Amino acid sequence: AQSVSQHNHHVILSEAASLELGCNYSYGGTVNLFWYVQYPGQHLQLLLKYFSGDPLVKGIKGFEAEFIKSKFSFNLRKPSVQWSDTAEYFCAVPRGNAGNMLTFGGGTRLMVKP
Amino acid sequence: GAVVSQHPSRVICKSGTSVKIECRSLDFQATTMFWYRQFPKQSLMLMATSNEGSKATYEQGVEKDKFLINHASLTLSTLTVTSAHPEDSSFYICSARDRPEAFFGQGTRLTVV
Repeated sequence: AQSVSQHNHHVILSEAASLELGCNYSYGGTVNLFWYVQYPGQHLQLLLKYFSGDPLVKGIKGFEAEFIKSKFSFNLRKPSVQWSDTAEYFCAVPRGNAGNMLTFGGGTRLMVKP
Repeated sequence: GAVVSQHPSRVICKSGTSVKIECRSLDFQATTMFWYRQFPKQSLMLMATSNEGSKATYEQGVEKDKFLINHASLTLSTLTVTSAHPEDSSFYICSARDRPEAFFGQGTRLTVV
């Protein structure tokens, strides 16, 4: 079964700094990967996903992630963060044969200082 | 995208009472829905899989009698926390998959006093 791990639990950045959040997955066949974001007081939203094709995936709000198979990684990046990016970010993989459920990484809490 | 609505968003209840949380898929049918729990400063943990018309599948360590799940229709799943205790206080989130994406409810913050 696939699992994911996120190494950065808390990240504090100043506005305009570049962001990279780590996500490593364990191998388990076909790789589908997701990044979700949870803004304070709001529900989880999908940022981006990778199923196949171009390993550099672009998502909403200027986020992107790169699937690097040799490193089992799917790191989330943004060139210049804004205060409004303050949120918790979760990497996820499908779980189970049908792939309906998601297994989440531990999450990374990002705080962007204005 | 698809919408999953969860109600209530916040609930405070007395210890020993039961609380029901609803999860609805508003514009798609979901034969399967998922219930997650999020402890403070921790990730989402899958509690159970709700199956329309059949019994829910619970993750290891989750008490079936404590967390009753009913999935009576293709658009509604309910989670009932029975005889709630303070340690049940948490953030509960439901999810339904409208392939290829999973959509999440707004979450319910349960506080048991």
